[in-house]
Amino acid sequence: EIVMTQSPATLSVSPGERATLSCRASQSVGSNLAWYQQKPGQPPRLLIYGASTRATGIPARFSGSGSGTEFTVTISSLQSEDFAVYYCQQYDSRPPYTFGQGTKLEIK
Amino acid sequence: EVQLVESGGGLVQPGRSLRLSCTASGFTFGDYAISWVRLAPGKGLEWVGVIRSRAFGGTSEYAASVKGRLSISRDDSKSIAYLQMNSLETEDTAIYYCTRRSGELRSHWYLDLWGRGTLVTVSS
Repeated sequence: EIVMTQSPATLSVSPGERATLSCRASQSVGSNLAWYQQKPGQPPRLLIYGASTRATGIPARFSGSGSGTEFTVTISSLQSEDFAVYYCQQYDSRPPYTFGQGTKLEIK
Repeated sequence: EVQLVESGGGLVQPGRSLRLSCTASGFTFGDYAISWVRLAPGKGLEWVGVIRSRAFGGTSEYAASVKGRLSISRDDSKSIAYLQMNSLETEDTAIYYCTRRSGELRSHWYLDLWGRGTLVTVSS
């Protein structure tokens, strides 16, 4: 099983600032990596797939990068609606298609 | 509207069974693999399992934590997927989300559509 490790567990950032969230895979997953955003009481929403492609309707301030075992998602200028929990998920090769434990992005 | 709607959650005693349903609308259900993902209290998302489309064999795969107890099936004529949950344990308490896998090629195995979820509570 591929283990996905996200860091940090919690990130405190002020609105308007830049936030960078990280995700590491225990073995290479190529570019088969997605990011999801989840707000309280809502289902997760697809943000990024293929490590760097924004999903439909996702603002340009969100960007993803990385390949192999190291990935990041960057939010260039935080808006109030961006404070949420972010999960990475690998979908390479055999199941299980594991998620990271999540990073909570909170207002500083 | 393109959507997935889960139903069937509730309170159930340990060792009992429950069946969740996922009803799709707004797209050709039979063309897509359907996955179930759960969110336990205080924890992160956990991938539960997937059932492929009929064109790709209609087979299913499961996380080790649920294999042998949970099983996924589908009725393409009704646009419904099911999650049959047997021998439930307290650790199965979670919100269960039905999700659509974007495509059947590996590069499309991300989850592009999510239902709002249904809560399953396993407690005596």
